[in-house]
Amino acid sequence: EAQVTQNPRYLITVTGKKLTVTCSQNMNHEYMSWYRQDPGLGLRQIYYSMNVEVTDKGDVPEGYKVSRKEKRNFPLILESPSPNQTSLYFCASRKVHNEQFFGPGTRLTVL
Amino acid sequence: AQKVTQAQTEISVVEKEDVTLDCVYETRDTTYYLFWYKQPPSGELVFLIRRNSFDEQNEISGRYSWNFQKSTSSFNFTITASQVVDSAVYFCALSEGGGSNYKLTFGKGTLLTVNP
Repeated sequence: EAQVTQNPRYLITVTGKKLTVTCSQNMNHEYMSWYRQDPGLGLRQIYYSMNVEVTDKGDVPEGYKVSRKEKRNFPLILESPSPNQTSLYFCASRKVHNEQFFGPGTRLTVL
Repeated sequence: AQKVTQAQTEISVVEKEDVTLDCVYETRDTTYYLFWYKQPPSGELVFLIRRNSFDEQNEISGRYSWNFQKSTSSFNFTITASQVVDSAVYFCALSEGGGSNYKLTFGKGTLLTVNP
């Protein structure tokens, strides 16, 4: 089954404790992205990757890092999480210009 | 820069009513792609439709229909005979041909509530 998987689905952590949200897709897509969704703000792109070892900032990259060492994986790293990073996070992948497939979402709470 | 505006923040209807969700976009590209996604209360994002800028034909899929008008830069979505299961947040999105690194830009969404 074609899918994007994310883990964990729910995470509660404390300020400053490094965390990684994993993302994996099985569709051989070149393009992968991370979004955060906040009430009233819609979906905003954090980082994207056009292919292996090619990543770039989206609209709200501050406080986040990513890597793309393999085509299927695109982890999101929060080196020192802060409460303003409490949000719902989505990983996505697509073949350029085609529909974008989303993971199920990760609900992160930073205390 | 590309932009998507969904002016309706929330819409509430009674079951069986028809409802139209508006989407207006801005782009400088002549080649672009428009999408609609649905986010039900369970939270996942579900793809509904993709339309490219060269295809202005309206599309109908069951109770859903889409009206793409380049002259007004709009890509509106109509649900006919709405049902409670249609209650969700609906997002319109735009992807330019290549100038913006293929980013998919989303509107802020319209929360549709269908009451029994």
